Amino acid sequence: EIVLTQSPGTLSLSPGERATLSCRASQSISSSYLAWYQQKPGQAPRLLIYGASSRATGIPDRFSGSGSGTDFTLTISRLEPEDFAVYYCQHYGGPWTFGQGTKVEIK
Amino acid sequence: QVQLQESGPGLVKPSETLSLTCTVSGGSISSYYWSWIRQPPGKGLEWIGYMYYTGSTNYNPSLKSRVTISVDTSKNQFSLNLSSVTAADTAVYYCARVGGYHSPPSSWGQGTLVTVSS
Repeated sequence: EIVLTQSPGTLSLSPGERATLSCRASQSISSSYLAWYQQKPGQAPRLLIYGASSRATGIPDRFSGSGSGTDFTLTISRLEPEDFAVYYCQHYGGPWTFGQGTKVEIK
Repeated sequence: QVQLQESGPGLVKPSETLSLTCTVSGGSISSYYWSWIRQPPGKGLEWIGYMYYTGSTNYNPSLKSRVTISVDTSKNQFSLNLSSVTAADTAVYYCARVGGYHSPPSSWGQGTLVTVSS
């Protein structure tokens, strides 16, 4: 089973700042099978990125994904008020696994 | 646009079977994979399993002995049965549509909280 470790646990930033979230896999994985989700309180997760770097339908271009092997990154170029949420990475290439999440909070 | 809605009991007794149904509207259940994912209160996401509309399944190894996912194409629904539940199975349960094999879940239901308690 692939274990995904996200860091940091919490990111405190101000609107307009750049957010960089990390997801590290316990072994090398294909970038084709790495996704990122956003979850707000009381809501279901929303798919942001799939295949490590492809934006899902309707996702603003301030969200971008990158990485390969064991290290993957979600970048939010300029934080909007609605971007403060919890973000999860997911591996879906075999048994699905999720990271534990990174909370992006307002500083 | 496809919509998914979970339904079922919000309270289940320990050792009993948790049963949930996901009703799909705005699209056919055929030609897609369908998944269940859960989230204990205040915690992260855990994959339960997924199935193809033909009935083939793939389950989380840690839950495999207790999980059954099935489909009723005539009703455009799929279901989750989780047996021998304990308090550790208390969670919000989400159903989701998966675009294809080795694809992520892209459309999710709103989720339903199931509490395991006597």
